[in-house]
Amino acid sequence: GDSVTQMEGPVTLSEEAFLTINCTYTATGYPSLFWYVQYPGEGLQLLLKATKADDKGSNKGFEATYRKETTSFHLEKGSVQVSDSAVYFCALVEPGTYKYIFGTGTRLKVLA
Amino acid sequence: DTEVTQTPKHLVMGMTNKKSLKCEQHMGHRAMYWYKQKAKKPPELMFVYSYEKLSINESVPSRFSPECPNSSLLNLHLHALQPEDSALYLCASSQGADRAYGYTFGSGTRLTVV
Repeated sequence: GDSVTQMEGPVTLSEEAFLTINCTYTATGYPSLFWYVQYPGEGLQLLLKATKADDKGSNKGFEATYRKETTSFHLEKGSVQVSDSAVYFCALVEPGTYKYIFGTGTRLKVLA
Repeated sequence: DTEVTQTPKHLVMGMTNKKSLKCEQHMGHRAMYWYKQKAKKPPELMFVYSYEKLSINESVPSRFSPECPNSSLLNLHLHALQPEDSALYLCASSQGADRAYGYTFGSGTRLTVV
């Protein structure tokens, strides 16, 4: 079945460091891919998305490119801030279905 | 209005109690969802409503009973819960099943069963 694999956390970085959180997926069809962010005590917020191969999603300085050849959707940010500390979930959804497949989440800690 | 509002934010209930969680959205979304999230885990899908009809039940125990009174409201009725049901319950909505749309999540109800 479909699955999403994220890198283990926590990821600890200093402010202004470059961020990469790896995400790879297994899917039978042509899924849409998403990154969600969850701040402490809150629900999930959609961070960015991509619906087809080579699409790049971007938002708030974060970027991810849908790579079909490597089945990956890695999240990147050039310069992280303390306020980016949160848990990041990679997810996919197959066309015509409602069910998201979430990765296990990666906790990011950014130190001042 | 671009929010999903969940009430209450926190709920403590005994194993013999009956309580309800409420979720509301005014974005015209036609799909609404209940998810359960345990600590340090991803959300797990419980129910999906599409156009006010239950379309997916992920084999959830009958002590959880969803209800969609109208296109803006989604309730989750709780009865005879177990301590292991303690979790963050998240409501979400989307414009539909089209894969281009993401979810809009509420902030959740943190449920503790004692």
